[in-house]
Amino acid sequence: SQTIHQWPATLVQPVGSPLSLECTVEGTSNPNLYWYRQAAGRGLQLLFYSVGIGQISSEVPQNLSASRPQDRQFILSSKKLLLSDSGFYLCAVIVVLEAFFGQGTRLTVV
Amino acid sequence: GESVGLHLPTLSVQEGDNSIINCAYSNSASDYFIWYKQESGKGPQFIIDIRSNMDKRQGQRVTVLLNKTVKHLSLQIAATQPGDSAVYFCAENTNDYKLSFGAGTTVTVRA
Repeated sequence: SQTIHQWPATLVQPVGSPLSLECTVEGTSNPNLYWYRQAAGRGLQLLFYSVGIGQISSEVPQNLSASRPQDRQFILSSKKLLLSDSGFYLCAVIVVLEAFFGQGTRLTVV
Repeated sequence: GESVGLHLPTLSVQEGDNSIINCAYSNSASDYFIWYKQESGKGPQFIIDIRSNMDKRQGQRVTVLLNKTVKHLSLQIAATQPGDSAVYFCAENTNDYKLSFGAGTTVTVRA
């Protein structure tokens, strides 16, 4: 089983401010890590995934970036937030094709 | 799964009735499918999975049916309870690293 720690749980940030969301994982080593975004009333959109330290794949062009400085740490960042960045951000680890999710961060950009 | 970004369809079910949630997937090469349940404010949780060499799999009160001919997946919940109210997502394995999620269905159980 995997444990995903994701923080903060909620965040209100002004437009133009920077963002850093952190996710750490307990369990298997060298996990595949993922950031998903869920806009209000919508499905899960894959933003980034990483199959190893320093390896980041981006799924959609956007205002966000991701980094993986350690094996079990995955960070989602932005230099300048936009209103459209508001949403529910979920960190996930996929092990043998089963996804385990963190509790999510609800980001509101005002 | 269904295109991400669409507004979620909804399903209203009387408590005690059976629920059927449907999902269409797009990639004929997908070989593994999962249903997730997401309660309000929480991350999705695994319910049941099925591989493409099967057409039916049963769990506790849940059954997943897979029709590869029409690329359709369904989740059946028997004797729906108030605690089943949630958003349900199907997901397909599109390659070795990724799970692609459908848009989800909001299930509301009426007392």
